[in-house]
Amino acid sequence: DVKVTQSSRYLVKRTGEKVFLECVQDMDHENMFWYRQDPGLGLRLIYFSYDVKMKEKGDIPEGYSVSREKKERFSLILESASTNQTSMYLCASYTGAGGGYTFGSGTRLTVV
Amino acid sequence: AQSVTQLDSQVPVFEEAPVELRCNYSSSVSVYLFWYVQYPNQGLQLLLKYLSGSTLVKGINGFEAEFNKSQTSFHLRKPSVHISDTAEYFCAVSAGGTSYGKLTFGQGTILTVHP
Repeated sequence: DVKVTQSSRYLVKRTGEKVFLECVQDMDHENMFWYRQDPGLGLRLIYFSYDVKMKEKGDIPEGYSVSREKKERFSLILESASTNQTSMYLCASYTGAGGGYTFGSGTRLTVV
Repeated sequence: AQSVTQLDSQVPVFEEAPVELRCNYSSSVSVYLFWYVQYPNQGLQLLLKYLSGSTLVKGINGFEAEFNKSQTSFHLRKPSVHISDTAEYFCAVSAGGTSYGKLTFGQGTILTVHP
């Protein structure tokens, strides 16, 4: 089975800090995604990447950036964390050909 | 662009009763449709998917869904629920072709099964 691993389950950061959320997949998938999940809003796409060093903005990219230096790793960066970025962050790897996603377990980020 | 509407934010039901979770979508192109489940403190797990072919799709844990193109719906059903089905369920849509597999999710439906 494909495994998607997010490095932290829970994080607490201070306002203004630079925050890195890491995601690693083990199946050589080209497409990877970062979503944030908020109650009543479902999952909203922040950024995705379809190849190494290639990225595209999703629906809510403001305040975020991403890095994909290696195929297996896709990092989400909060340049200057704010309290409205407190959320659950989910990483996913796309299995291809309509196969859907494999999700990581999520990182619950609290910005204080 | 696609959009997904899950018509119920919360669905309470008694154990062994049937349940239907409703999902409507809009899209100008043909789509792939998915249902995911999220158990507390976990990531999302694929329940079932519709890509093409038979409009009745069977998934894991006894769930099934029916694709209705004319009504642009993809409702999820289970004939008899268990306590362990308590979770949040997400409907999602993806356009085919060069969409890179981007999924658009609905707002989620919290299913609570009572004994």
